Amino acid sequence: EAQVTQNPRYLITVTGKKLTVTCSQNMNHEYMSWYRQDPGLGLRQIYYSMNVEVTDKGDVPEGYKVSRKEKRNFPLILESPSPNQTSLYFCASRRLAGERGNEQFFGPGTRLTVL
Amino acid sequence: TQLLEQSPQFLSIQEGENLTVYCNSSSVFSSLQWYRQEPGEGPVLLVTVVTGGEVKKLKRLTFQFGDARKDSSLHITAAQPGDTGLYLCAGGRGPGGSYIPTFGRGTSLIVHP
Repeated sequence: EAQVTQNPRYLITVTGKKLTVTCSQNMNHEYMSWYRQDPGLGLRQIYYSMNVEVTDKGDVPEGYKVSRKEKRNFPLILESPSPNQTSLYFCASRRLAGERGNEQFFGPGTRLTVL
Repeated sequence: TQLLEQSPQFLSIQEGENLTVYCNSSSVFSSLQWYRQEPGEGPVLLVTVVTGGEVKKLKRLTFQFGDARKDSSLHITAAQPGDTGLYLCAGGRGPGGSYIPTFGRGTSLIVHP
């Protein structure tokens, strides 16, 4: 089954404790991205990657890091989480080549609470 | 900067009613997508429109892309409780590899039985 998986689905942590949210896709997509979703603010892009070893900042990259060492994986790293990073996080992937507006496939989300 | 404005933000209606959700921008997009998100899940693509004036139908859902490719609408006929969810529009510029979508803030729809 074609899918994007994220782990963990739920995480409660404390300020300053480094954490990683993993994302993996099995569709051989070149493009992967991370979003955060907050009430009233919609989906905002944190980082995206167009291929292995190629990453770029989205609209709200501060406080986050990513890496793309393999095509299928795109982990999101919070080196020193703060309470304002409490949010619902989504990983997504899509093909690059072809027509405009290729469908993005989203993971199930990770609900993060930073105390 | 919010490039895409969705309205209304919230909508609560009875089963069988019709509704329209709007997605507006001052920017021109190469294409526009509509997603639906159910509680506890990620967004799922409903449709992509790419040509100005284009109309696409998906059962009771009708999607329209404005002639100038700056706005879009989603019309639902005879809404059902299963239509409940968050509807998101996403516009992007650029072809293929450079296409980076920007999402609107969403319209939360509740359809009461």
